[in-house]
Amino acid sequence: NAGVTQTPKFRILKIGQSMTLQCAQDMNHNYMYWYRQDPGMGLKLIYYSVGAGITDKGEVPNGYNVSRSTTEDFPLRLELAAPSQTSVYFCASSTLAGVPYEQYFGPGTRLTVT
Amino acid sequence: GENVEQHPSTLSVQEGDSAVIKCTYSDSASNYFPWYKQELGKRPQLIIDIRSNVGEKKDQRIAVTLNKTAKHFSLHITETQPEDSAVYFCAASIVQGAQKLVFGQGTRLTINP
Repeated sequence: NAGVTQTPKFRILKIGQSMTLQCAQDMNHNYMYWYRQDPGMGLKLIYYSVGAGITDKGEVPNGYNVSRSTTEDFPLRLELAAPSQTSVYFCASSTLAGVPYEQYFGPGTRLTVT
Repeated sequence: GENVEQHPSTLSVQEGDSAVIKCTYSDSASNYFPWYKQELGKRPQLIIDIRSNVGEKKDQRIAVTLNKTAKHFSLHITETQPEDSAVYFCAASIVQGAQKLVFGQGTRLTINP
């Protein structure tokens, strides 16, 4: 059971480039989330999904897009990267079965936009 | 929307003493309040959580109290140890299947030997 995995671990982008951050979970969780964490700050919700084909915006969705074609995968797309998107990105998942409510986090992707 | 304020931003205590971190929230509909511990360069990990139908919850040296009327909740760590040094985050959400957690700004806790 790998839990929540994220790739890549690190990435440097130039302004205006695009990229996709990958997230996968093998726990059969319905709910998945994307957060960003700026230095010295708490996490902020970007997007979340309640199941395959269903996504919704969080607190800070501008500049990002998501899709959820399967239960396991929840990629985050950055279009036209800007320096303000320099951050650490965490993917998480949760379920109402088993141990309800706990969000399991992936190891994070550290993104720098220059 | 929900807003969570966390204090203090830094806290330094002697090993063996207690540490208390406080959070306030704005949305009276919030019903789930987790606390996460994050070590440097690592992912956040849940250490304890409480739901709005409970006033207090304890797990060994860690306890959380919730005052719904005042809209604040606190983390208490007793008999602190060096491995408790980390950044702690509180969060609040309304659980409707998914949880749209709103996090506090974090408290950097340092345990001095």
